[in-house]
Amino acid sequence: NAGVTQTPKFQVLKTGQSMTLQCAQDMNHEYMSWYRQDPGMGLRLIHYSVGAGITDQGEVPNGYNVSRSTTEDFPLRLLSAAPSQTSVYFCASSYSRTSSYNSPLHFGNGTRLTVT
Amino acid sequence: GQSLEQPSEVTAVEGAIVQINCTYQTSGFYGLSWYQQHDGGAPTFLSYNALDGLEETGRFSSFLSRSDSYGYLLLQELQMKDSASYFCAVSRGSFQKLVFGTGTRLLVSP
Repeated sequence: NAGVTQTPKFQVLKTGQSMTLQCAQDMNHEYMSWYRQDPGMGLRLIHYSVGAGITDQGEVPNGYNVSRSTTEDFPLRLLSAAPSQTSVYFCASSYSRTSSYNSPLHFGNGTRLTVT
Repeated sequence: GQSLEQPSEVTAVEGAIVQINCTYQTSGFYGLSWYQQHDGGAPTFLSYNALDGLEETGRFSSFLSRSDSYGYLLLQELQMKDSASYFCAVSRGSFQKLVFGTGTRLLVSP
């Protein structure tokens, strides 16, 4: 049982390049989400999905796309990388759509992205 | 909109008790969560309050007052390994759209 797996762990991009951050969970969780964490800013929600085929925008969706073709996978695509997207990206999943004591968010170990 | 406020840093010594406060302003409030994050690591879930009152989980307790839009995390019998950042997060709406505070860095000294 690996939990939430993110790849790669580190990535350096040049401005304008595109890439996909991978996220997979093996807990059969219904809900998946992507956050970015910047110093002094806490975690901010980029996109989320409440099930296969369903995605929606979070607080800071611009410049990112997501899709959810399977329950297990929730990739995050950067369309044209910008230095402002330098950040640590966390994928998270939970059993239920609604937050509760029995359904906390499980986070992956993060992808540290630098855009030059 | 929504906002959460928590102190940026708290210091304490081993064995002590520390309280980390969180005030929030949000619409569609469902509950208040707490997460711990060690440097370089992933956030991990600590506690959740949907109703007013105290929830206790071992050395950690969390409190919520919905009327005051206020909650706190209480850490007892502090250990060096408790040095980490602690985030409060508000659940809004019917889905897991957690909005996180900017975090409180706890430094535990011997």
